[in-house]
Amino acid sequence: AQSVTQLGSHVSVSEGALVLLRCNYSSSVPPYLFWYVQYPNQGLQLLLKYTTGATLVKGINGFEAEFKKSETSFHLTKPSAHMSDAAEYFCAVSVQGAQKLVFGQGTRLTINP
Amino acid sequence: GAGVSQSPSNKVTEKGKDVELRCDPISGHTALYWYRQSLGQGLEFLIYFQGNSAPDKSGLPSDRFSAERTGGSVSTLTIQRTQQEDSAVYLCASSSMASLNEQFFGPGTRLTVL
Repeated sequence: AQSVTQLGSHVSVSEGALVLLRCNYSSSVPPYLFWYVQYPNQGLQLLLKYTTGATLVKGINGFEAEFKKSETSFHLTKPSAHMSDAAEYFCAVSVQGAQKLVFGQGTRLTINP
Repeated sequence: GAGVSQSPSNKVTEKGKDVELRCDPISGHTALYWYRQSLGQGLEFLIYFQGNSAPDKSGLPSDRFSAERTGGSVSTLTIQRTQQEDSAVYLCASSSMASLNEQFFGPGTRLTVL
C-alpha cells in the first residue's frame, strides 16, 4: 500500500521568498507522484507529476519538484512566491496498474505581503 | 474545452434521506473517479470506473454508498440513509486512456447532512 506524508499543515512565506512544501511517500513499487493545488471552493488542479525519467520536473506557475528515491521525497519548490500562490497544496502517489490517488493531508500556503 | 462538471454544487439534506450526486467527465475520457474530501479524513478515494471493466469499489466506506456509470460517461454517486459523518465535499475526476495517471478534477459537490 502507498502513503503520503506532508510535513507542515500550514506554511507561511513572504512575497518573493522561496516556497518549499515537503512531501514524503511510502511505496513498495516505483511510484507515480503528483502535486495538486486547490484554490478556495474549487477542485484540484494538477501542478506537476513524476512518472518515469527525469527526476526534476517542472510544472505550471513556476513550480518544480524533485523525485529523490533515496529520501522517498518529492518536495515542491518555487523560487519566488506570489500572492496568487496562496492555496492548499496536496501531494499524491499512485502506482502503475492502480490508478487511484492516495493523498497527503495537504499544506495550506499563506503569502505575506 | 469543457472540464469535469458536477451537480449540484451544494446539497443540504436531512439525516436519513438519500442523495444523488452527478458527475459529467471530460468527453472521451474513459476513466472516472470519485473522491471525498472531509476535515477529519482529508482526501479519500471512493470508487474508480475504467471503460467496461468492473469498478474498483475498494474505497466505499459502507454499503450505503453506491455509484454507477451509464453509457461509459455520466456517473451518479448515491448515498442512502445519509448520516452527519457523510458531510463532505465529493470530488469527481476523469482521465483519458492515453494518460490514466493524469486526473482532471471537477469543482465538487458540498454535501451537508443536518
